[in-house]
Amino acid sequence: QQQVKQSPQSLIVQKGGISIINCAYENTAFDYFPWYQQFPGKGPALLIAIRPDVSEKKEGRFTISFNKSAKQFSLHIMDSQPGDSATYFCAASEWYSSASKIIFGSGTRLSIRP
Amino acid sequence: KAGVTQTPRYLIKTRGQQVTLSCSPISGHRSVSWYQQTPGQGLQFLFEYFSETQRNKGNFPGRFSGRQFSNSRSEMNVSTLELGDSALYLCASSLSGSSGTEAFFGQGTRLTVV
Repeated sequence: QQQVKQSPQSLIVQKGGISIINCAYENTAFDYFPWYQQFPGKGPALLIAIRPDVSEKKEGRFTISFNKSAKQFSLHIMDSQPGDSATYFCAASEWYSSASKIIFGSGTRLSIRP
Repeated sequence: KAGVTQTPRYLIKTRGQQVTLSCSPISGHRSVSWYQQTPGQGLQFLFEYFSETQRNKGNFPGRFSGRQFSNSRSEMNVSTLELGDSALYLCASSLSGSSGTEAFFGQGTRLTVV
């Protein structure tokens, strides 16, 4: 059961443009929504995260928009740069029974054209 | 501050063999989680250990097992290897493993089963 659906699978954006990646979730018990960035040969690294009681969070050029009623959240990368070219994963987790696990989306391969 | 260290980085095994992967978490982190990353299935949660106890387990067969030592270092074992076990195995550490606590990933161990 795919609990976090991510789109698009791949994305090409011109330098300076806005990159937008969308995710939807099913489990209303999720209480933490991180985005991870992964470069080839590296492990995923936390980029930005949000909790469901907030509708938007911005850190530099990266913004998460969160719609709790629609069970959707998205990542916006403003002024996209070639160095942003990587695979991005949305994710969700819940705290239960003193444990948690991260459920990842399928990933979006982002390419920024110079 | 040293990051999450996984050894070895690359491994080639034959079907039917077993393999042990190692993960040293960030100093002070007590939670260690393991993930399998494949092109087809993406990032999938294997299990999580906290204070030497398995707290959570994903949907993987019993051939996949792990343990955590008193110094929080963790090992993952896969017995009777199958071709489909070829993947990047990622370890993540966090302070407590609770939802909302940042998880730091290692670079992974690339396992190839031939």
